[in-house]
Amino acid sequence: EPEVTQTPSHQVTQMGQEVILRCVPISNHLYFYWYRQILGQKVEFLVSFYNNEISEKSEIFDDQFSVERPDGSNFTLKIRSTKLEDSAMYFCASSVSLAGRGTGELFFGEGSRLTVL
Amino acid sequence: QKEVEQNSGPLSVPEGAIASLNCTYSDRVSQSFFWYRQYSGKSPELIMSIYSNGDKEDGRFTAQLNKASQYVSLLIRDSQPSDSATYLCAVNTLSGSARQLTFGSGTQLTVLP
Repeated sequence: EPEVTQTPSHQVTQMGQEVILRCVPISNHLYFYWYRQILGQKVEFLVSFYNNEISEKSEIFDDQFSVERPDGSNFTLKIRSTKLEDSAMYFCASSVSLAGRGTGELFFGEGSRLTVL
Repeated sequence: QKEVEQNSGPLSVPEGAIASLNCTYSDRVSQSFFWYRQYSGKSPELIMSIYSNGDKEDGRFTAQLNKASQYVSLLIRDSQPSDSATYLCAVNTLSGSARQLTFGSGTQLTVLP
């Protein structure tokens, strides 16, 4: 069964360092997303991406965050200068159609746990 | 801020019983509703989607939607210990001009052998 894959599964970094989290969405999906979940808290929307540009972004997704689809398969989330509060599980997801319009069922990767020291 | 509310639990049911999980949402124009299961330390896994008022059944799972009451529920029949997890309700909501999938905080379900 097709699945969303994410790397790394766990990354430890020092505050102020740049981090890149990578995702390979399901191959026939057109919409890509990043969500995060701070330990013990809700799954929170960060950004959606379609046709090589950001479709929607939340208040969390400020200037220190960026996303990119550098080739035909990878989808990346970059955090430019990490803060302690960026420590969380980051989930990549993909869907055939846009979440909230039509069906828009999201399928999640296993997540990348980011620990900022 | 458009909200999705769930009882955090924990909800405990004996094996073989029916588990009932509830969710309310505040965005009246939401059209798509989803239930995800999340095991501890794992990612959300889609269980059910529902778009129309009424019931939708898939195996041991039944999703129920009442748009007038802004209420969606999930019933798990013949509950098994392997169903023990946190169940997340997700609703497409409008935040500013953006529609996005908003998650509730989840209900922790424990099925006792």
